[in-house]
Amino acid sequence: KQEVTQIPAALSVPEGENLVLNCSFTDSAIYNLQWFRQDPGKGLTSLLLIQSSQREQTSGRLNASLDKSSGRSTLYIAASQPGDSATYLCAVETSGSRLTFGEGTQLTVNP
Amino acid sequence: DTGVSQDPRHKITKRGQNVTFRCDPISEHNRLYWYRQTLGQGPEFLTYFQNEAQLEKSRLLSDRFSAERPKGSFSTLEIQRTEQGDSAMYLCASGLAGVETQYFGPGTRLLVL
Repeated sequence: KQEVTQIPAALSVPEGENLVLNCSFTDSAIYNLQWFRQDPGKGLTSLLLIQSSQREQTSGRLNASLDKSSGRSTLYIAASQPGDSATYLCAVETSGSRLTFGEGTQLTVNP
Repeated sequence: DTGVSQDPRHKITKRGQNVTFRCDPISEHNRLYWYRQTLGQGPEFLTYFQNEAQLEKSRLLSDRFSAERPKGSFSTLEIQRTEQGDSAMYLCASGLAGVETQYFGPGTRLLVL
């Protein structure tokens, strides 16, 4: 059974810091890995999708890497802003198109 | 707005009552997914449809839960004889077969008293 773990569970940083969120998964037989953002009480917004054959994806200040063999991914956020405050969720797609999510990292960026 | 919509956004019910939620996917999307998210946890997969066919169901989907997508467009999720443990956010997502990205709706938050 695929299990996804995210570390840390919560993170508080001052504005302008660069930060790294970590995700690990137990079964390397994945189709892709995705990072989502969730604001309080809201749905999920897709940030980055990395195919299983890829090593990284970049979008603006966000960079996600994937090491499938070791079952790890990182999300790097450069020059953090208060508007980045949200919960960040990592999810892997396995058979049947189902996504298996981690519990999330709650990020607070202080002005 | 052409995103995924869900109705209602909030539902409070008493234990033992039946509730039904609706999801309207992005119009050209042939796949529709239901997830459940409890407080402080990530979403958990419940079921998904390709067109009107229900292709996979999680073991989380007990006999009290039923989902339909009769015409391959909108979907409904019904919970019968609700229990307090059913209190959660129910999320719907849609996508295209062969394209991995799933687009999520705002969710329906259910509170069972």
